[in-house]
Amino acid sequence: EPEVTQTPSHQVTQMGQEVILRCVPISNHLYFYWYRQILGQKVEFLVSFYNNEISEKSEIFDDQFSVERPDGSNFTLKIRSTKLEDSAMYFCASSPGTGRVGYTFGSGTRLTVV
Amino acid sequence: GENVEQHPSTLSVQEGDSAVIKCTYSDSASNYFPWYKQELGKRPQLIIDIRSNVGEKKDQRIAVTLNKTAKHFSLHITETQPEDSAVYFCAASRTSYDKVIFGPGTSLSVIP
Repeated sequence: EPEVTQTPSHQVTQMGQEVILRCVPISNHLYFYWYRQILGQKVEFLVSFYNNEISEKSEIFDDQFSVERPDGSNFTLKIRSTKLEDSAMYFCASSPGTGRVGYTFGSGTRLTVV
Repeated sequence: GENVEQHPSTLSVQEGDSAVIKCTYSDSASNYFPWYKQELGKRPQLIIDIRSNVGEKKDQRIAVTLNKTAKHFSLHITETQPEDSAVYFCAASRTSYDKVIFGPGTSLSVIP
């Protein structure tokens, strides 16, 4: 079964540093997303990406965040200057955008800001 | 804004009993309602979904119901097993590829 792959699985970074979280969506999917989940809380939408541009973003996704699809396979989330409150599990997801199939989530990157 | 409420926040049942989780949503444009199961430290996994043109859907021991007029939807798990223990999230979206608004989750414990 096709999977969404995320790397790294765990990232520890110092406050103020930049981090890049990487995702490889399922190859024939057209829609890509980032969600985050603070420990013990619900999953929150950050951003959706379609046709090489952001289609929707939440109020969490401020100027510190950016997304990019640098080539035909990778989809990245960059946090420019990390804060303690950015510590969370970040999930990438993808969707074909048609038919009856919903999202497939990746296994997540646990980001710890110290 | 868009919101999904979910109850109860924790649920403990004896093995073999049924479990019911109830959700409400606020965005009347929502038409797609997925349910996710999340085990500790793992990704959310889609277990069943329902679309607004259907009132009920069943898949083995899992069933979902939707009342679009009341903006209520619910998950029913019958004959629960210890491996059903996890956090369950209801969610709502306009389509299967729009942003998904998650509920706060229900921690289900099935006691052997």
